Amino acid sequence: AQSVTQLDSHVSVSEGTPVLLRCNYSSSYSPSLFWYVQHPNKGLQLLLKYTSAATLVKGINGFEAEFKKSETSFHLTKPSAHMSDAAEYFCVVSVPYSGAGSYQLTFGKGTKLSVIP
Amino acid sequence: DSGVTQTPKHLITATGQRVTLRCSPRSGDLSVYWYQQSLDQGLQFLIQYYNGEERAKGNILERFSAQQFPDLHSELNLSSLELGDSALYFCASSVDKEGRFVGYTFGSGTRLTVV
Repeated sequence: AQSVTQLDSHVSVSEGTPVLLRCNYSSSYSPSLFWYVQHPNKGLQLLLKYTSAATLVKGINGFEAEFKKSETSFHLTKPSAHMSDAAEYFCVVSVPYSGAGSYQLTFGKGTKLSVIP
Repeated sequence: DSGVTQTPKHLITATGQRVTLRCSPRSGDLSVYWYQQSLDQGLQFLIQYYNGEERAKGNILERFSAQQFPDLHSELNLSSLELGDSALYFCASSVDKEGRFVGYTFGSGTRLTVV
């Protein structure tokens, strides 16, 4: 079984300051990990993914995340927040599931990021 | 445009009615996943199809059903609708034809409002 814990339901930062959104996971398998962003009334957009290659993953819009197996963490960071980053962010763990082509996704509950001008 | 197409984008219907949501996966992807997102439940996995076959079931009600057609598009059928079924319904696709895992691509969702 796997689980995802997003440690903060709401994070508020000032524009131009760093962003840190925390995610811890547990999994019996070597997981793939993802961060998705959802802007209000929009669909989910992939920010970045870790699939057992480099542990520091760079994504779109200046976001990056580091996979730390020893800490079972996959925190999302950005050096300088922009107003357009205000959205909800989901950490997702994926493991293979019963046969070819099947992957079980487990979503965190989401972290709402507010950016103060 | 993510490549995953969901229609309609918005749907308003009355309680007791039946609706069909449609999803066309990204070209080359064989798997389709359906998710329900509501304010109180968050993102809930409903069901997955792979190349026309049901592969996994999540928290899908008996009033709901889905299928994936030979052209790989999928439909989610919701019947005897209740107020609590109001939510955003997403579909996602993954896996290309050679079986390589390429990650998930989500559609923009169908917002269902039951009145």
